[in-house]
Amino acid sequence: QSVLTQPPSVSAAPGQKVAISCSGSSSNIGSNYVSWYQQLPGTAPKLLIYENNNRPSGIPDRFSGSKSGTSATLGITGLQTGDEADYYCGATDSSLSVFVFGSGTKVTVL
Amino acid sequence: DVQLVESGGDLVQPGGSLRLSCAASGFIFSAHWMNWVRQTPVKGLEWVANINEDGSDENYVDSVKGRFTISRDNAKNSLYLEMNSLRAEDTAVYFCARDQFHSSYEWGQGTLVTVSS
Repeated sequence: QSVLTQPPSVSAAPGQKVAISCSGSSSNIGSNYVSWYQQLPGTAPKLLIYENNNRPSGIPDRFSGSKSGTSATLGITGLQTGDEADYYCGATDSSLSVFVFGSGTKVTVL
Repeated sequence: DVQLVESGGDLVQPGGSLRLSCAASGFIFSAHWMNWVRQTPVKGLEWVANINEDGSDENYVDSVKGRFTISRDNAKNSLYLEMNSLRAEDTAVYFCARDQFHSSYEWGQGTLVTVSS
């Protein structure tokens, strides 16, 4: 079981938006930065969001991150077929002294 | 451009050893913490270990403590993971990643480690 909980899957039609939740606790999301990763089929994970809501260079603004309390959310607007991938949240867990990843969410574009 | 290239993955018997390497380029290697992260279809992504800029501070997930050792050679822009007493549950794709802004900012393509008799 992952320390950070994500829904197994979300789906929407092209052009629509999805929100992926990541639920944690006071020792991880509640007190540390959250990052989000996209993993396209057969490739390595790629950073989408760092420090809760910042995008690395080259990541389109269709991707956004937010955090409230012990939960975080990744939003994707203007959904494209190329967005079909697995998405993972991550944060340091101060109690466990490790970095923890969420269980992953598969995004399907209908 | 940042490049991280892992190597060293192989099929190894339970109880065996393996050394993974990660060759880094395109950034000032000695200025960054580095991570090893592994992935399995069942457990998903799992952070394994990290090491600070000069190699004086290392951290590990509990399941590998005492068996794995992370190290680096800043002169060679290289990161390593020495894995001993390997178990079936260590079977995974292992990624190295540059740590920045409290995240794994860039990732290599991964190297497959299979522990099986």
